Amino acid sequence: QVQLVESGGGLVKPGGSLRLSCAASGFTFSDYYMSWIRQAPGKGLEWVSYISSSGSTIYYADSVKGRFTISRDNAKNSLYLQMNSLRAEDTAVYYCAREGSGVLMVYAVDYWGQGTLVTVSS
Amino acid sequence: EIVLTQSPGTLSLSPGERATLSCRASQSVSSSYLAWYQQKPGQAPRLLIYGASSRATGIPDRFSGSGSGTDFTLTISRLEPEDFAVYYCQQYRGTFGQGTKLEIK
Repeated sequence: QVQLVESGGGLVKPGGSLRLSCAASGFTFSDYYMSWIRQAPGKGLEWVSYISSSGSTIYYADSVKGRFTISRDNAKNSLYLQMNSLRAEDTAVYYCAREGSGVLMVYAVDYWGQGTLVTVSS
Repeated sequence: EIVLTQSPGTLSLSPGERATLSCRASQSVSSSYLAWYQQKPGQAPRLLIYGASSRATGIPDRFSGSGSGTDFTLTISRLEPEDFAVYYCQQYRGTFGQGTKLEIK
């Protein structure tokens, strides 16, 4: 079965950096676009970034552009999010998410990890 | 940027009743790119509907989606106790609505 397991969250000071990882299993990782989506405490969902199956196409939300970098290692079935210059407003649960198959026209996130909490505070 | 506005913010209903949730877009969204998710406290969201009206794998047929252009609807025909949760609409690789909380009356 599809599993997405995030790690790397924690407490960091404003201006600091953190790297999130997502270990994928149960599917052919290199066939799928992947995304990071976050949710501030008690708030709604915010899409952060996506990366194509090969890694050649990347897109960011304006709120993180220039500070966050998404990447993937298809040989290791892993997705990453490097977060620099962190701000208090980046505090959130960060979800690793698999996009549905374009071949099957599932234009949505069809699997989510359990999330990892990032807290930015002094 | 397309803004998705969900209404109502909170919906209070009883088990067995019908729920109708609305998602309105600030500009036209392709039906292929409109999805609905369910989120329970402490859990990750779960995909319910994609392509505005297609049920995801394992989703009961009491859940249905409809709409086009700027107006989309999620309907739950007969509420079960496990359906009380927060529901979000989303345009593909883009913004989410602010959510509708479905609570037990």
